[in-house]
Amino acid sequence: DAGVIQSPRHEVTEMGQEVTLRCKPISGHNSLFWYRQTMMRGLELLIYFNNNVPIDDSGMPEDRFSAKMPNASFSTLKIQPSEPRDSAVYFCASRKDGIMNTEAFFGQGTRLTVV
Amino acid sequence: TQLLEQSPQFLSIQEGENLTVYCNSSSVFSSLQWYRQEPGEGPVLLVTVVTGGEVKKLKRLTFQFGDARKDSSLHITAAQPGDTGLYLCAGVGPNAGNNRKLIWGLGTSLAVNP
Repeated sequence: DAGVIQSPRHEVTEMGQEVTLRCKPISGHNSLFWYRQTMMRGLELLIYFNNNVPIDDSGMPEDRFSAKMPNASFSTLKIQPSEPRDSAVYFCASRKDGIMNTEAFFGQGTRLTVV
Repeated sequence: TQLLEQSPQFLSIQEGENLTVYCNSSSVFSSLQWYRQEPGEGPVLLVTVVTGGEVKKLKRLTFQFGDARKDSSLHITAAQPGDTGLYLCAGVGPNAGNNRKLIWGLGTSLAVNP
């Protein structure tokens, strides 16, 4: 398996523009997570899907952020309009849930810079 | 709110030295994980501990879960430059129910100098 695939790896955009980040989870995994990582705040959970349904979106900063998971093999995180403070590395992770299994597999991340 | 505090935040040592990093909380966790993250990559799972007092070894790395399942430690023996990275702990609360999201610490950034 190729692992969790994220695109793009790097994104530089101007303030006010729409940004869409993409994620393909590992086949067979039924949970998907979007995280944001910065030096100051570490790894923050933005939203968590289970079986394509959002379970916890309490970490989504504000209405400018939205996430979708139309099927088990694809998810998007959209920021509209983007702001400089959104600059961070965004990670997607997936997990195959089991009674005792909580291991999350991460993609390589998308480094977003908003200028 | 469940929080995981990691210490130290930064650590720079020479090759061959031993070190211990800590992950502490006032809350109980049903399980706790340690991940290592290298620059430009996502975190990768090293180990999961589940039982209070549990000790797991992974080559030169020794992980311990506190008896009360509120804290954990990672000890590295004879550190090597390849151990350099950000070490993150993450836990699942005991009453997570259907919301089995991980609670993350801020990490310990380790640099092992040759």
